[in-house]
Amino acid sequence: GEDVEQSLFLSVREGDSSVINCTYTDSSSTYLYWYKQEPGAGLQLLTYIFSNMDMKQDQRLTVLLNKKDKHLSLRIADTQTGDSAIYFCAEYNDYKLSFGAGTTVTVRA
Amino acid sequence: GAGVSQSPSNKVTEKGKDVELRCDPISGHTALYWYRQSLGQGLEFLIYFQGNSAPDKSGLPSDRFSAERTGGSVSTLTIQRTQQEDSAVYLCASSQWTGGEGNQPQHFGDGTRLSIL
Repeated sequence: GEDVEQSLFLSVREGDSSVINCTYTDSSSTYLYWYKQEPGAGLQLLTYIFSNMDMKQDQRLTVLLNKKDKHLSLRIADTQTGDSAIYFCAEYNDYKLSFGAGTTVTVRA
Repeated sequence: GAGVSQSPSNKVTEKGKDVELRCDPISGHTALYWYRQSLGQGLEFLIYFQGNSAPDKSGLPSDRFSAERTGGSVSTLTIQRTQQEDSAVYLCASSQWTGGEGNQPQHFGDGTRLSIL
C-alpha cells in the first residue's frame, strides 16, 4: 500500500458527514475503489469510480476524484453508528488492487 | 446470490507445518485473486488467476507459497513449512471478466485468519 496513502483515523459525530481522503501515485489507474471492513469480516465493496469521472454519488456516498492531483475522497452523509469500520482506498492497475493502509472511522453519539 | 466462500475461517498451526486455504469464488466469475492482510504490511496482492491463462504469481512472497485453481473455479493456496511471519488474514476475491481492463469490481470473502505458533 505504499503507493496509496490515507489518514489513519477519523472520529465523527453521529449525523454529521464523514470525509475520508486518499492520494495515489499511478496516473494510469483505470478505476479507484472504496472498500469497508468491519471487525472479523472481509472487504465489502462500497463504491468505485472510473478514472475519467470527477464525481459519483450513490445514496449517502459521494466519491470525488481529482485526477490532476491524484486525490480521491469518500464522503458519507448522515454518518451512523453502523458506519464505524475501516475504509480502504484502492487503485486498480495491471489486474490487481493496491490498497492504502485504511482509515479507521469511529462514530460517536 | 452466494458470495465468495473461504475455508477454514480460522487456522492455528505449528511452525514448520504445511497449510492449505480454500476459496470458492462467486459462480461465473472467471478472475480469482489472493491477497494477504497483516499488521505490518497492510493488504498485499499475492496471485491472480484468469480463466485458463497462466497465473500472475508476482506477489507471492517466497517459494513456500503456491496456489492452484482447478477447473476454473475453486482455488487452493498452500503454504509449506510455515513461519511465524506467515501469520495474517488471507483474503480471496473474484470478479467477472468482460475483456475491458478492470471494469468489474472484485468481491471479497471473509478471509482465513492464519496463526502460526
